[in-house]
Amino acid sequence: ETGVTQSPTHLIKTRGQQVTLRCSSQSGHNTVSWYQQALGQGPQFIFQYYREEENGRGNFPPRFSGLQFPNYSSELNVNALELDDSALYLCASTPGAGGPANEQFFGPGTRLTVL
Amino acid sequence: GDSVTQMEGPVTLSEEAFLTINCTYTATGYPSLFWYVQYPGEGLQLLLKATKADDKGSNKGFEATYRKETTSFHLEKGSVQVSDSAVYFCALTFTGNQFYFGTGTSLTVIP
Repeated sequence: ETGVTQSPTHLIKTRGQQVTLRCSSQSGHNTVSWYQQALGQGPQFIFQYYREEENGRGNFPPRFSGLQFPNYSSELNVNALELDDSALYLCASTPGAGGPANEQFFGPGTRLTVL
Repeated sequence: GDSVTQMEGPVTLSEEAFLTINCTYTATGYPSLFWYVQYPGEGLQLLLKATKADDKGSNKGFEATYRKETTSFHLEKGSVQVSDSAVYFCALTFTGNQFYFGTGTSLTVIP
């Protein structure tokens, strides 16, 4: 069973640009969550998708958007990049519909730098 | 709002020393509590969890007990190893569709 993978590993963009980050969940995991982890901080919840529908959202502006596909892959899109968007972006998948006791399986992350 | 507060690091210990990393939470109700570990260059991995008060989670020699009276979930290990060097995160969730993480505590174990 393969784990959660993310691409690209690193990315450099300039302010105002748009970026798409990709995640491939473990097979059979219907729930995917995205987090932003600034340097020296804990992960901050961006949103969660379950069966291609948004299932929860943290305190992030609408320029952060996502998609989930039937093949267990997902995307995080960020428009109008700002310097403060520089961070490690983590994807995590969960079996089934998730739930308060279910483990989240994290990918290694994409390091985004905005100049 | 709901939040998690962790003991600030970094923490440096000698091999075989006793480890405690403090975690307290603020929440309206009784969430599920987790400890995740992040090794250098890797994603977060679940270390242990507890879903109700007085539960004790344990794994790889690490333990944590869910204390609702003190709203705490402190991580302990009796004898740390060099391979335990990592960043440790405490986290909570109510429904599983939004997790709140602490800021992380960096642990370095020296031989």
